Amino acid sequence: GEDVEQSLFLSVREGDSSVINCTYTDSSSTYLYWYKQEPGAGLQLLTYIFSNMDMKQDQRLTVLLNKKDKHLSLRIADTQTGDSAIYFCAENNAGNMLTFGGGTRLMVKP
Amino acid sequence: EAGVAQSPRYKIIEKRQSVAFWCNPISGHATLYWYQQILGQGPKLLIQFQNNGVVDDSQLPKDRFSAERLKGVDSTLKIQPAKLEDSAVYLCASSLGGLGEAFFGQGTRLTVV
Repeated sequence: GEDVEQSLFLSVREGDSSVINCTYTDSSSTYLYWYKQEPGAGLQLLTYIFSNMDMKQDQRLTVLLNKKDKHLSLRIADTQTGDSAIYFCAENNAGNMLTFGGGTRLMVKP
Repeated sequence: EAGVAQSPRYKIIEKRQSVAFWCNPISGHATLYWYQQILGQGPKLLIQFQNNGVVDDSQLPKDRFSAERLKGVDSTLKIQPAKLEDSAVYLCASSLGGLGEAFFGQGTRLTVV
């Protein structure tokens, strides 16, 4: 089955690192994604990782994948107030279907 | 490159009325998705097209929802008749196909009263 789970809420101070976690169940997923959604806007792809990788770094973003535990995380270094948004992880299975988690609301305090 | 275009941005209708949403994907994108996002939840896939054929519509409430993608480009999603629980943001996305990233439109916010 396909079920993607995330914690609902994360609050950090500006300049700290944020870590958003996600668990998924479909072991056939080939790509895993992180999307960002700001109020009133559509989803914006932040980064993705192929399932045969365990880490990907892209500027302030670091994605870690533990395929054995089906655990994905997104680390944002030096978090800024502009990073406040809802973050969704998603898995892409062999049918090219994107299944999303419920989203984690990140609040960055000045 | 133009993004995914959706219209209208907002729609308010009474229950039992009909409504239609329109989506124009990024040029050349073979795969088109319609998602329903209820407030406070993640997007849920309603239907996925590959060109003008349906790949998956297992979560589309077919008694009231319909979608088409004529000529493999634009798509419309219709609800008839609408229920209160259909209030949500309807997101359209497109991708090149394969396992390419999906690009999302801004969505249509539907309120059923």
